[in-house]
Amino acid sequence: EIVLSQSPGTLSLSPGDRATLSCRASQTISSSYLAWYQQKPGQAPRLLIYGASRRATGIPDRFSGSGSGTDFTLSISRLDPEDFAVYYCQQYSDSPSITFGQGTRLEIQ
Amino acid sequence: QVQLQQRGAGLLKPSETLSLSCAVYGGSFSGYYWSWIRQSPVKGLEWIGGINHFGSTNYQPSLKSRVTISVDTPNNQFSLKLKSVTAADAAVYFCARFSGWLSTPRFDYWSQGTLVTVSS
Repeated sequence: EIVLSQSPGTLSLSPGDRATLSCRASQTISSSYLAWYQQKPGQAPRLLIYGASRRATGIPDRFSGSGSGTDFTLSISRLDPEDFAVYYCQQYSDSPSITFGQGTRLEIQ
Repeated sequence: QVQLQQRGAGLLKPSETLSLSCAVYGGSFSGYYWSWIRQSPVKGLEWIGGINHFGSTNYQPSLKSRVTISVDTPNNQFSLKLKSVTAADAAVYFCARFSGWLSTPRFDYWSQGTLVTVSS
């Protein structure tokens, strides 16, 4: 099973700041198979990015994804108050096997 | 707009069977992998398994012996059964649509979730 490790566990920033969230896989994965989600309290996760860098429908362009191999990044260019939430990465591999990272909490400083 | 609506009991006793169903409204039911995912404070988000409209299934290996996912394609519904539950199975259970599994797989639509509690 591929393990995804997200860092940092908590990120404290202010509205207008740039956020950089990391997701590291325990083995190489295809960038096509890496996705990012946002989750707010009491809600289901919402798809933000898939294929490592493709924004899902309706997602603002301040969200961007990058990376390859074992290291992937979610960037939020200018934080909006609504962006403070928990973010998860998720991978798919043949078997099939699907795993999620443990999450990064983005909180208002 | 695709909507997933869950139904099922949220309070179980140890050793009972968890049963949840998920109805899909809007969009096509064919061509996707319909999945169950759970979330607990201990294990985080955990994929349980999925099924396509033909009834082909895949399960999380650690749960495979206790899980059955079935599909009712004419009614755009799929279901989860997890037998012999314990306190470790307490979680919020989501159903979700898994898209693009041959190219860029992702969960693009989710239900609102059902809190499942296991207590004697």
